[in-house]
Amino acid sequence: DAGITQSPRHKVTETGTPVTLRCHQTENHRYMYWYRQDPGHGLRLIHYSYGVKDTDKGEVSDGYSVSRSKTEDFLLTLESATSSQTSVYFCAITAKGPPSYNEQFFGPGTRLTVL
Amino acid sequence: QKEVEQDPGPLSVPEGAIVSLNCTYSNSAFQYFMWYRQYSRKGPELLMYTYSSGNKEDGRFTAQVDKSSKYISLFIRDSQPSDSATYLCAMSALKGQAGTALIFGKGTTLSVSS
Repeated sequence: DAGITQSPRHKVTETGTPVTLRCHQTENHRYMYWYRQDPGHGLRLIHYSYGVKDTDKGEVSDGYSVSRSKTEDFLLTLESATSSQTSVYFCAITAKGPPSYNEQFFGPGTRLTVL
Repeated sequence: QKEVEQDPGPLSVPEGAIVSLNCTYSNSAFQYFMWYRQYSRKGPELLMYTYSSGNKEDGRFTAQVDKSSKYISLFIRDSQPSDSATYLCAMSALKGQAGTALIFGKGTTLSVSS
């Protein structure tokens, strides 16, 4: 599991409430990613980080923000959750440096339901 | 046209069969190709990783990349019930030093019956 944990593993919340998901890694990897997985869409990148305080947007970043104040933690925040953000969220890391950025390893996922 | 196309299946085969899973893509900049296996309610697990064209073999699994046709395949020999899962293809073009986004297919669901 590449030393990745995600919390919470399951969450049910209401529309309009803020939600923060946490990804924690124990192996000091520089690159971390947040994806969402939806039926009919597959996995899509939300945001990624290439170091402490260094983040960038992915394909579906609207409505999400991220923060990385420590190497081991990458937080995903839904400022005001909407039903369209009901999904399974996966954190991933890249274990190697260039040119193997693409070997990404995934955490166990967080299943989020927004009512 | 989607960047990556993958037949969702489901694909059902008997134990011991050879399985062929495929993806096509449209972006000629893709250079890195991966196959992930995902069991129900679990995270994707990296199975195979290849760069550019050619074949790569790992045990019962063989990955093939044909960049001229924009087509990649994963073959599973002597399939086992434990191979029953969803298989995701993924690909990317290296993007400087800031890491890179993987573009995923939607996945093919495979069921191997004993």
